[in-house]
Amino acid sequence: GAGVSQSPSNKVTEKGKDVELRCDPISGHTALYWYRQSLGQGLEFLIYFQGNSAPDKSGLPSDRFSAERTGGSVSTLTIQRTQQEDSAVYLCASSLSSAVGQETQYFGPGTRLLVL
Amino acid sequence: QKEVEQNSGPLSVPEGAIASLNCTYSDRGSQSFFWYRQYSGKSPELIMSIYSNGDKEDGRFTAQLNKASQYVSLLIRDSQPSDSATYLCTSWGGSYIPTFGRGTSLIVHP
Repeated sequence: GAGVSQSPSNKVTEKGKDVELRCDPISGHTALYWYRQSLGQGLEFLIYFQGNSAPDKSGLPSDRFSAERTGGSVSTLTIQRTQQEDSAVYLCASSLSSAVGQETQYFGPGTRLLVL
Repeated sequence: QKEVEQNSGPLSVPEGAIASLNCTYSDRGSQSFFWYRQYSGKSPELIMSIYSNGDKEDGRFTAQLNKASQYVSLLIRDSQPSDSATYLCTSWGGSYIPTFGRGTSLIVHP
């Protein structure tokens, strides 16, 4: 079946502009995660959704970052007034989430964001 | 602060050798552990999961878990150049958010 998809695959924007990143999880996966990975760095957790609810937003770096999920499926991550330090690869992952911590996360290909 | 520590490497091994990747974690409540492989410019993909103390084998890969020592390892037998990648160790401590290590870079040279 289809895996996790993300769009756009690449995004170049100017400092101060808003960007919207999209994630389509695997059908039937109720848990969805957003991560950020800077060049040569590990994965930085941003936000987690269970269904349409976000029980944990603790990883969002600032109030310029927000995310939503609708219909228990597609999620969008919005970055307002982008800064150069926002440049990174933004990864989305989904899992069945039938049991806490027991589920494999399936990652999308990522969106490479470059803020000029 | 939950942490997963990995040697960043690079770990360089000759083709055909055994590659040993190690990981330690700080949260004694961690219950499950995953190893992901990430090729340069690509997203992580699952290699192995392990939940109980001991060894778990899958083809050329063996995951080892020692909860008393808070230690997880991944052995790759008969290493191939195609195994060259960054390997991420992940632990789950009973919450919905995993803790990722920063990864170990493996280079398998012909």
